[in-house]
Amino acid sequence: GIQVEQSPPDLILQEGANSTLRCNFSDSVNNLQWFHQNPWGQLINLFYIPSGTKQNGRLSATTVATERYSLLYISSSQTTDSGVYFCAATNDYKLSFGAGTTVTVRA
Amino acid sequence: ETGVTQSPTHLIKTRGQQVTLRCSSQSGHNTVSWYQQALGQGPQFIFQYYREEENGRGNFPPRFSGLQFPNYSSELNVNALELDDSALYLCASSWGQGTDTQYFGPGTRLTVL
Repeated sequence: GIQVEQSPPDLILQEGANSTLRCNFSDSVNNLQWFHQNPWGQLINLFYIPSGTKQNGRLSATTVATERYSLLYISSSQTTDSGVYFCAATNDYKLSFGAGTTVTVRA
Repeated sequence: ETGVTQSPTHLIKTRGQQVTLRCSSQSGHNTVSWYQQALGQGPQFIFQYYREEENGRGNFPPRFSGLQFPNYSSELNVNALELDDSALYLCASSWGQGTDTQYFGPGTRLTVL
């Protein structure tokens, strides 16, 4: 399966700051998703983005498939953005997840 | 539109017992995938069911088995529980096999004592 690496592993932000999370993957993909895991464990879909750029409010994502990486941008961070962000990718049916980036936003 | 639901939310079992976890897929979806998430790690793929057939399997032993029903809901069964089976079990539903967006349920937290 695909290997997925996320960086940084931890990120501490002051409220209002901007940040970038990175996801590298080892092979071509036909599905790449970004998730936010809430404190109760549920994975909340942020983006389905095997290629291109998407935006949703203060969040945006870009995947450069030819260079095998994806970026998640958080702008004007809020305390509610805290949590673990996962990138997951596949080129068949098995989503492979990275180890996640733990984001802490301080008021 | 109903989202993905899982039951139970929490479960405590002892080593050697058997457990069944349940997942109802989002309406209109015909594929269910199961994942295991150990504490502090990313989810690991267990297997996927597409139209009631196992479509693929990750690196899990045969004591992990599953079913998908005609209404596309699914069960995950684990026999001979081991302490390392303690984890959050997540199911995801989607339309089709792998290329479509997967939507996750809230998970079942299993503790094996």
